[in-house]
Amino acid sequence: NAGVTQTPKFQVLKTGQSMTLQCAQDMNHEYMSWYRQDPGMGLRLIHYSVGAGITDQGEVPNGYNVSRSTTEDFPLRLLSAAPSQTSVYFCASSLRTHSNQPQHFGDGTRLSIL
Amino acid sequence: KQEVTQIPAALSVPEGENLVLNCSFTDSAIYNLQWFRQDPGKGLTSLLLIQSSQREQTSGRLNASLDKSSGRSTLYIAASQPGDSATYLCAATSGGGADGLTFGKGTHLIIQP
Repeated sequence: NAGVTQTPKFQVLKTGQSMTLQCAQDMNHEYMSWYRQDPGMGLRLIHYSVGAGITDQGEVPNGYNVSRSTTEDFPLRLLSAAPSQTSVYFCASSLRTHSNQPQHFGDGTRLSIL
Repeated sequence: KQEVTQIPAALSVPEGENLVLNCSFTDSAIYNLQWFRQDPGKGLTSLLLIQSSQREQTSGRLNASLDKSSGRSTLYIAASQPGDSATYLCAATSGGGADGLTFGKGTHLIIQP
């Protein structure tokens, strides 16, 4: 049972480039979300999805795009990378929005924008 | 808007001590509260989840309490070990909406051998 898998683990981009951070879970969880973790700021929610075909914005959505075509996958797209998007990105999943089941996190993608 | 605060930001204690980590939240209308552990360069591992109707949860040497009326949760670690060294995060799930967890900034814990 792999849990939540994020790829890549590390990435360096130049300003203006685009890329997709991948997230996959094999637990048949309906709820998936993306967070970014910055020093002194804690984890902040970027986007979330309550099921296939349904996404919504979190606290810091600007500059990011998501889609949820399958239950298993929830990719995060950086449209035009900016240095302010240098961060560690975590994907998480849980059974449902309010299930009283713990959220499962991936190991993160460490992204540097030059 | 929910705000979660963790005190202290860092803590260093000798091995074997019992210790308490504190978490406070501003909106008492939470669905649940979770405690996570994060090791350097790693993701978050769920330690305990307390439902809004519960007062405490226990797992091994860990005990988490919840007092919604005062907006506080504590994580008690008994007989601390060097392997407990990590950053501990608390996070609140709002009672309404689907907008994820609101995290505190964490307590960086070092257990000295």
